[in-house]
Parts: sequence; C-alpha cells; structure tokens
Amino acid sequence: GAVVSQHPSRVICKSGTSVKIECRSLDFQATTMFWYRQFPKQSLMLMATSNEGSKATYEQGVEKDKFLINHASLTLSTLTVTSAHPEDSSFYICSATDLLDGTQYFGPGTRLTVL
Amino acid sequence: QQQVKQSPQSLIVQKGGISIINCAYENTAFDYFPWYQQFPGKGPALLIAIRPDVSEKKEGRFTISFNKSAKQFSLHIMDSQPGDSATYFCAATLGTSYDKVIFGPGTSLSVIP
Repeated sequence: GAVVSQHPSRVICKSGTSVKIECRSLDFQATTMFWYRQFPKQSLMLMATSNEGSKATYEQGVEKDKFLINHASLTLSTLTVTSAHPEDSSFYICSATDLLDGTQYFGPGTRLTVL
Repeated sequence: QQQVKQSPQSLIVQKGGISIINCAYENTAFDYFPWYQQFPGKGPALLIAIRPDVSEKKEGRFTISFNKSAKQFSLHIMDSQPGDSATYFCAATLGTSYDKVIFGPGTSLSVIP
C-alpha cells in the first residue's frame, strides 16, 4: 500500500531553536498534505492544509509565522517550528492525499521535545 | 457543527468479546466516515470507512453501522483480540476524501486475555 514517511521520527531541541519536519509520499503523488498535532492522550488536531505550489491554509488559532509550511513538490511537504518553546512539544503527524484516487494516508509521526 | 463526538472514552473487553464504539455528528455535509486505529507512538492507520448511502459495511472482524437519520455511526469489533488494544478514532470529512479529516476524541480499547 501507499506509504507516507516523516523525518525525523524524534527530535529534541533547545528552546528558541527552529526544527524542520519532512513529510514525503513515497510511492504516490499528493497535491494536498495535511499537518496535525497530537498531545498525549488526545485526538489529532488539524493545524494546516498544504497544497503543492501554493500557500498553506491554517486552522483558526494556529500561528502561521510560527509553523511554517512549504509544499514544494508533489511528494514533499515540510513543517518548520520556529523559535520552539516547551509548549510546542507534541506529536506532529502529516497525511497525504493520493492524487489518483483521493485516499488519505497518514505518516508515522514525529515526536518533538523542546527543552 | 464541525465536531464528531465519540464514546466511550475507554473500553475494556475480554478476549473473544465484542467491542463497540459509538460516534455522532451534526454536520449533514459530512460525506465520508473513516475509522482509524492508532498504536502508541505511531500514526493513525485507516481501518475501515463508510459513506452515508450505506447502512453497514463489514471487513473481516470490523463492522461499521451507519444511521443517517440519527447522524450516528458505530464500530463493532467481533472476536476482540489483545492485538486490537489501541486507540480508535472515528472521523468525518466534508465532501471528498481530499478534504481534511475531523477526528473524534478517541476511544482507548484494552482487550484482556
């Protein structure tokens, strides 16, 4: 089946630094990718919708200047957490929608810990 | 309107039993209702999905029942196994599967031997 990868799987950084998380669709093309955040024992909350070649659409309450999203190709979207703080520590999950049949596949997630 | 409600929050079932998770929604524009299974530290995986023009869908031990008039749907896991222990999320999307997924709050299922 279709695979979505995320890199890195885990990252620990110091407060104030920026962290980039990559989301790749490995065997299909995706015009749309989504970024979610999940806190412990909670559900996935959509952060933004990313369309290839255009600006991301952010959900209400998500700071677009803090969470920079780039969708430069049909197989890659990146999320950069700028000036990370401990409250940004979370599990970040991306999903990608197969261009051919619309099926949405989720990545394995990236655990971000900000010290 | 965008919410998907889910119950119970947690569920303990004996091996071989039936696990039942219930969900409800308000927005009648929702057109696709997937269920996801998530193990700790992993991303969610699509388990089974249904569209509102179908009242029931079965795949192996997993069955979705859908009541369009009541705006409710449920997941039944037959012959529950310890390996089914995970968090289950019901979800909904607007219009097509190209759209964002609205997740329910989740149900933590534990299947005990």
